Amino acid sequence: RKEVEQDPGPFNVPEGATVAFNCTYSNSASQSFFWYRQDCRKEPKLLMSVYSSGNEDGRFTAQLNRASQYISLLIRDSKLSDSATYLCVVSGYSTLTFGKGTMLLVSP
Amino acid sequence: NAGVTQTPKFRVLKTGQSMTLLCAQDMNHEYMYWYRQDPGMGLRLIHYSVGEGTTAKGEVPDGYNVSRLKKQNFLLGLESAAPSQTSVYFCASSWFRRNTGELFFGEGSRLTVL
Repeated sequence: RKEVEQDPGPFNVPEGATVAFNCTYSNSASQSFFWYRQDCRKEPKLLMSVYSSGNEDGRFTAQLNRASQYISLLIRDSKLSDSATYLCVVSGYSTLTFGKGTMLLVSP
Repeated sequence: NAGVTQTPKFRVLKTGQSMTLLCAQDMNHEYMYWYRQDPGMGLRLIHYSVGEGTTAKGEVPDGYNVSRLKKQNFLLGLESAAPSQTSVYFCASSWFRRNTGELFFGEGSRLTVL
């Protein structure tokens, strides 16, 4: 099993739709989890951290399921500007491990 | 503040040539990283540093060397470039010890090895 796995997509959704991505991780000792966003030909940027209790930031909701070792990201009311690749990230002792990303394309 | 700056942003090399990528950060971060990103492979860690004068191997270190002589700079060297090293290279820095998980990335350096 790979360390961090994501469905590469692309997920094609219309504006206003709700879309969810999942990510699984293999290291049960991982302590911290994050979602990053990467626009085409740009550097990745932190979107949000993922907490055990779940957390929300505007239209974005992140969930962590430690028992099943997966993380989810829910985007409500999708905007054209949400089109990007979403990277699932899991922390180790000194480094972060990135998933390969899930591409989201939001169309008018 | 400039954040994380990488130079050069683009470079074309011939097989066997050497070059150095420079990463500079002005946030006083302890941790610095070099990643490469290839289509379908995601971001892979090459080397990293947890402080001035220290370096450590990441997931794909072969063919690369690094140095962290000053806290603000992290250099990535290719001694004898190979076509397999054609990639986009990202430098990043962080306060990882605080485990906030936020890496600050440079804009990337696109390297082509012919």
